[in-house]
Amino acid sequence: KQEVTQIPAALSVPEGENLVLNCSFTDSAIYNLQWFRQDPGKGLTSLLLIQSSQREQTSGRLNASLDKSSGRSTLYIAASQPGDSATYLCAVYEPGANNLFFGTGTRLTVIP
Amino acid sequence: DADVTQTPRNRITKTGKRIMLECSQTKGHDRMYWYRQDPGLGLRLIYYSFDVKDINKGEISDGYSVSRQAQAKFSLSLESAIPNQTALYFCATSDGKKGNTEAFFGQGTRLTVV
Repeated sequence: KQEVTQIPAALSVPEGENLVLNCSFTDSAIYNLQWFRQDPGKGLTSLLLIQSSQREQTSGRLNASLDKSSGRSTLYIAASQPGDSATYLCAVYEPGANNLFFGTGTRLTVIP
Repeated sequence: DADVTQTPRNRITKTGKRIMLECSQTKGHDRMYWYRQDPGLGLRLIYYSFDVKDINKGEISDGYSVSRQAQAKFSLSLESAIPNQTALYFCATSDGKKGNTEAFFGQGTRLTVV
């Protein structure tokens, strides 16, 4: 069964710092990988989706990379802001299972 | 208005009661999903539906049932609620056409079974 791990579980950084969140998965037979943001009391917001054939995707200050063969993805956040404080989740889609397998998330706090 | 709407947002119920969580979407997607989130475990799939006549069990379907009333509506029922079903429940949708599996989530329903 696919297992998705996110390290670290929590991260605190001062405002303005660049940071990297990590995601690893055990089975490379994925269709795509999706990064989400979860705010307390709110749902999951899709940030970036990377197809298995792609190496990276960018949206504003966010850049996600994918190394499918090694089972790793990173989410790079440039010039962090207090509004970036949230829990970040990664999930991989397996077509055989028709399922998104989620990591447990990294809780990010950006200190003003 | 949100594209994926869940009702209620919060619910406290007693052990043994039947409860229904509802989800509606305006994205026009065929695929709908129910997940639950528990601290330290991540989100896990309960049931999914690829169209109105298609219902499939996910990883943790025991104790749950679903109904796909229309393309836009997918409800989750707990026939006899128990305390370990206390969790945050999410509904999600995806297009599924042309290989598009990007998932969009509702705001969640926090369910407490006492």
